[in-house]
Order: sequence, then structure tokens, then C-alpha cells
Amino acid sequence: KQEVTQIPAALSVPEGENLVLNCSFTDSAIYNLQWFRQDPGKGLTSLLLIQSSQREQTSGRLNASLDKSSGRSTLYIAASQPGDSATYLCAVLSSGSARQLTFGSGTQLTVLP
Amino acid sequence: KAGVTQTPRYLIKTRGQQVTLSCSPISGHRSVSWYQQTPGQGLQFLFEYFSETQRNKGNFPGRFSGRQFSNSRSEMNVSTLELGDSALYLCASSYSGGHYGYTFGSGTRLTVV
Repeated sequence: KQEVTQIPAALSVPEGENLVLNCSFTDSAIYNLQWFRQDPGKGLTSLLLIQSSQREQTSGRLNASLDKSSGRSTLYIAASQPGDSATYLCAVLSSGSARQLTFGSGTQLTVLP
Repeated sequence: KAGVTQTPRYLIKTRGQQVTLSCSPISGHRSVSWYQQTPGQGLQFLFEYFSETQRNKGNFPGRFSGRQFSNSRSEMNVSTLELGDSALYLCASSYSGGHYGYTFGSGTRLTVV
């Protein structure tokens, strides 16, 4: 059974800092990994999707990497802004017939002005 | 291009009642998945529908059911509501079961009193 862990659970940084969020998963047989952002009481906004054959994806100030063999992914946020404050969720789509995402518990990020 | 639409946004129901939630996926997407999000359990998979067929089901009691119509719109029903069913219910749309990622709706906040 796939398990996804995110560290740290919460992070507070001053504006302008670069930061890294971590995600680990137990079963390396995955189709892809997706990073989401969730604002309080809202739905999930997709940030980046990395296919199992890829090593990284970039979008603006965000860069996500994937090391499938070690079961790890990182989300790098450059030059953080107060508007980046949200909960960041990592989700893995495992290989096989079961089409479901397994989510980590998230990292709650606060960027202080 | 319209996103994933979930209705209603908020619901308050009494224990023992039943409730139906609706999800309209992105045009052209044939897969709809449902997730329950609670503070204690995080995001948990309920079920996935593809071309009107349930392809996968999570570990929830039979009180939770769903269906998908020929236009890909999906409904989720919860019967005999319990206090523990209070949660944010999220619907996710995908083109082919997640290989190209998922797009989530804004969710339905269900409160059972």
C-alpha cells in the first residue's frame, strides 16, 4: 500500500527566502507525482505534474524534482512571497489498475511580509 | 475553458438524512474521482468513474455511493448521514484516469448536525 509523507508539517519563512518542501513515498511503482496548493477552505490547485520518466518540472518560481528510485520529490519555491502562503500537497498516482491519488498530509507554509 | 464545477458549495444536513453532491468535469474529460478531506484523516479516495462505470472504490461504507451520466457529470450520494461525514468533498476530473494529471473542483463543504 502506497504511503506518502511530507516534511515539514509547517514552515514559516520571511518574504524573499528560497525554500524546499519534501515529499517521500514508499512504493516507487508510480505513473506520476503531482504537487497541489490548497488555500483555506478551498479546493486544490495543481502546480506541477511530473511523469515517472521525468526528473523535474518548472513553472515560474516553482521547480519540482522526482527521484523515483529513492521515493522522493522536492518542491523548490524561489523568492517566496506572502501570496505563497497556503498548504502544499504532494500526491502520487501509483501504477497498476487502481486509479487513485495517494496524498501526503501537506506542508502548511506561511510567508511573513 | 471551464474548470471542474461542484454544487452546492455548502450544505448543512441533520443526522440520518441523505445528501447528493454534483460534479461537472472539464469538457472532454471522461474520468471523475471523488475524495473526502477531513482534518483528522486528510484526503481519502472515495471512488472513480470512467464512461459511466465505477472503476475503483476506496475503503468507505456502502452509505457512500456514486454514479456518472453519459455527459460525464457525476453525482455522489451519502445516505443515513453521521456526524463524522462532515467534511470537504472534492471532485477531480481527468482525461484518462490521471495519466495527464487531475484537476480539482472547489469542493462541497458538508456539515452534519
